[in-house]
Amino acid sequence: GAGVSQSPRYKVAKRGQDVALRCDPISGHVSLFWYQQALGQGPEFLTYFQNEAQLDKSGLPSDRFFAERPEGSVSTLKIQRTQQEDSAVYLCASSLPGGVGYTFGSGTRLTVV
Amino acid sequence: DAKTTQPTSMDCAEGRAANLPCNHSTISGNEYVYWYRQIHSQGPQYIIHGLKNNETNEMASLIITEDRKSSTLILPHATLRDTAVYYCIVRPRDNAGNMLTFGGGTRLMVKP
Repeated sequence: GAGVSQSPRYKVAKRGQDVALRCDPISGHVSLFWYQQALGQGPEFLTYFQNEAQLDKSGLPSDRFFAERPEGSVSTLKIQRTQQEDSAVYLCASSLPGGVGYTFGSGTRLTVV
Repeated sequence: DAKTTQPTSMDCAEGRAANLPCNHSTISGNEYVYWYRQIHSQGPQYIIHGLKNNETNEMASLIITEDRKSSTLILPHATLRDTAVYYCIVRPRDNAGNMLTFGGGTRLMVKP
């Protein structure tokens, strides 16, 4: 597609529920990043994939967060046993190898109630 | 990555130039200055980047001081659609795995 697509656009989860957020990067983009953006703050890095390999997951806040990209294209960010502090916008970005600028999706707004 | 300092907010009149400053006094020799912006309810959008020379593209101009300790993003004729949070980021360029470290950014309000 023309841009990075994320779904769902909005997600409301009850505390303790598991959620899965999807990212469809631009075709051919080997680098894929996930970011978390709390209200009123800048995005914070969560994890990075190069093709199907997860090369950096240092930003994942707890072992309840898990990301995968099994075929090197679509990626899923899974959050288990959601907590209220997980409420945020989750952004996905992709780029070509050595790409100058990253292309971000519009994000998924997760609200945990 | 070097830390950046930006004003929290700025106003600009529609049609006038918007000049957004950024301090990055600890920038190292291999770090570039990148600018992104984030319009409400959208993901960040790449604007421009530079190492030490001034740069211009269809969106903006980037002026970097000779000592590289600060820079200014210039939107030459701001429109209402330029209202957004603008992030100044410094990072090495040639590493596909380099994440972006966002600070608080500058909230630019373009007023009619």
